[in-house]
Amino acid sequence: SQQGEEDPQALSIQEGENATMNCSYKTSINNLQWYRQNSGRGLVHLILIRSNEREKHSGRLRVTLDTSKKSSSLLITASRAADTASYFCATDGRNTGGFKTIFGAGTRLFVKA
Amino acid sequence: DVKVTQSSRYLVKRTGEKVFLECVQDMDHENMFWYRQDPGLGLRLIYFSYDVKMKEKGDIPEGYSVSREKKERFSLILESASTNQTSMYLCASSLGLAGVSYEQYFGPGTRLTVT
Repeated sequence: SQQGEEDPQALSIQEGENATMNCSYKTSINNLQWYRQNSGRGLVHLILIRSNEREKHSGRLRVTLDTSKKSSSLLITASRAADTASYFCATDGRNTGGFKTIFGAGTRLFVKA
Repeated sequence: DVKVTQSSRYLVKRTGEKVFLECVQDMDHENMFWYRQDPGLGLRLIYFSYDVKMKEKGDIPEGYSVSREKKERFSLILESASTNQTSMYLCASSLGLAGVSYEQYFGPGTRLTVT
């Protein structure tokens, strides 16, 4: 069962531009996480936002969470070629005991130098 | 730094073979996870473990089993490999506290091809 769905599936921008990726989910959550995956590698955790938080920052990353709309967005400002990767949102449902984190299919970001 | 290692980056096996994928973490994490990743499908949870000798089925456990005899090691077993198990397999670990999710730390992945 796919809880989080990212949009768009793919995004191509120029270096220096901002990149925005969205995630929608279906059921109530305890928290939502964003991960990055470079080609053929494991995932790297970027940021976790809890259900009682609305916005969180980490360096060039800004994450928002709207629980009424069941959606989140990840903004990468002043993108760099090194930001080229796939980005996944991951949610845990309130009824999963906190153990099951469900990943979306990801957004592929390509930053052109 | 948390380190999660997987026994192989690439593996090629024949149909019907028994396959072991090993995962080791060095941060004393309670939770460990096995996912498979296929294009367009994201990560799908196969099994997870929240303690030694404890395991829970994920979303796609059929054709797989797991073993966790020591806290740092979580093994995924394909009893009789089939071509539809060709995939990227990712192991992860996290702290564990019932009802609370923590960030997961991932290994580099094992790309398994079954011919």
